[in-house]
Amino acid sequence: GQNIDQPTEMTATEGAIVQINCTYQTSGFNGLFWYQQHAGEAPTFLSYNVLDGLEEKGRFSSFLSRSKGYSYLLLKELQMKDSASYLCAVAPGAGSYQLTFGKGTKLSVIP
Amino acid sequence: DADVTQTPRNRITKTGKRIMLECSQTKGHDRMYWYRQDPGLGLRLIYYSFDVKDINKGEISDGYSVSRQAQAKFSLSLESAIPNQTALYFCATSEGTSGNEQFFGPGTRLTVL
Repeated sequence: GQNIDQPTEMTATEGAIVQINCTYQTSGFNGLFWYQQHAGEAPTFLSYNVLDGLEEKGRFSSFLSRSKGYSYLLLKELQMKDSASYLCAVAPGAGSYQLTFGKGTKLSVIP
Repeated sequence: DADVTQTPRNRITKTGKRIMLECSQTKGHDRMYWYRQDPGLGLRLIYYSFDVKDINKGEISDGYSVSRQAQAKFSLSLESAIPNQTALYFCATSEGTSGNEQFFGPGTRLTVL
């Protein structure tokens, strides 16, 4: 089976750094995705990790440890527009293009 | 123009009615997906299609059916809608290799009374 856990809600201050964690237990692993979703809108792609380590893309970075079944999304220099839900999703197996999504973390950025 | 479009964007219907949600894409992707999103439950996969001749059930396919009319079109039907099918429905597409992100349509908000 597939199980993906992430915190339900987080609050952080504008200009600060926030780390959103995701742990997963899946029957296979072929990569982990992070998506951003503003309320009532479509999810949009942020990052993809398939090998261990940190991937940096501007203010956003994503880390993966396959041995620990763990990933995090790091958001730096938070802006009000970063208030959104952040979805962790795992591709469970080689040749599998389905994604299993976590329930999402709703991030509120306050002044 | 949007790469992935969904129609209608909003729909209110009654229990027992047949409903079709449509998805079109101009990205040239082979793979298409239908998800539903409910508060507190996240995105759940209903059906997916890897090409016109390939249709697969996802996690929650009961009560739904799909049709892949062409590479660019993938429709989701609710044969007899029920209130617990009230949700936000998303169509998505992806390329044919692993590691490629899925691109989502704007969503259809369906309410079944």
